[in-house]
Amino acid sequence: SQQGEEDPQALSIQEGENATMNCSYKTSINNLQWYRQNSGRGLVHLILIRSNEREKHSGRLRVTLDTSKKSSSLLITASRAADTASYFCATDATGGGSNYKLTFGKGTLLTVNP
Amino acid sequence: NAGVMQNPRHLVRRRGQEARLRCSPMKGHSHVYWYRQLPEEGLKFMVYLQKENIIDESGMPKERFSAEFPKEGPSILRIQQVVRGDSAAYFCASSPPGLGANYGYTFGSGTRLTVV
Repeated sequence: SQQGEEDPQALSIQEGENATMNCSYKTSINNLQWYRQNSGRGLVHLILIRSNEREKHSGRLRVTLDTSKKSSSLLITASRAADTASYFCATDATGGGSNYKLTFGKGTLLTVNP
Repeated sequence: NAGVMQNPRHLVRRRGQEARLRCSPMKGHSHVYWYRQLPEEGLKFMVYLQKENIIDESGMPKERFSAEFPKEGPSILRIQQVVRGDSAAYFCASSPPGLGANYGYTFGSGTRLTVV
């Protein structure tokens, strides 16, 4: 079964610095999504990148996807204390009609220090 | 638009009791998905429902767990005879028909179940 794995598990940076988180997965995908989860809260959808896309931007977020390496990265530029949260990548499955079923990694806990 | 509403936010049950978790999808969303998050883990898919239909329950434990999404009212995740291992955060997501996979899902804030 496919599995998203984020790296690093935890990341601590200073406000204003950039944060890069990586995600690897095992099987072919249609899309890869990134979500943010603030402590004790629900998940917020950040960005979706399709398997035929290599890079996508949204505000201070930049996502890359390398399907040959089965990996993705999330870059947050000019980080703010409010970016402190856990970040998860989620992949769907190709084939079998079950692309609604997301597989999440364990997440990267990002701490942005003021 | 109130988003995906889950209640209660926190639920404490003694071993052997029943837990009922509710999820009201976003307005216009007819598809509901339940996920479970154990401590220090990512979310795990449990079940996918449309109104009055269970589409995929492959992630649901075979016993004690059931889900429904009636024609009227919220989706309900029901756990009978809870055990300590059921302690987790349960999240509900919703999407319009066929669009979640291409545009992302909207998640609720979750219900944190604690079994004592």
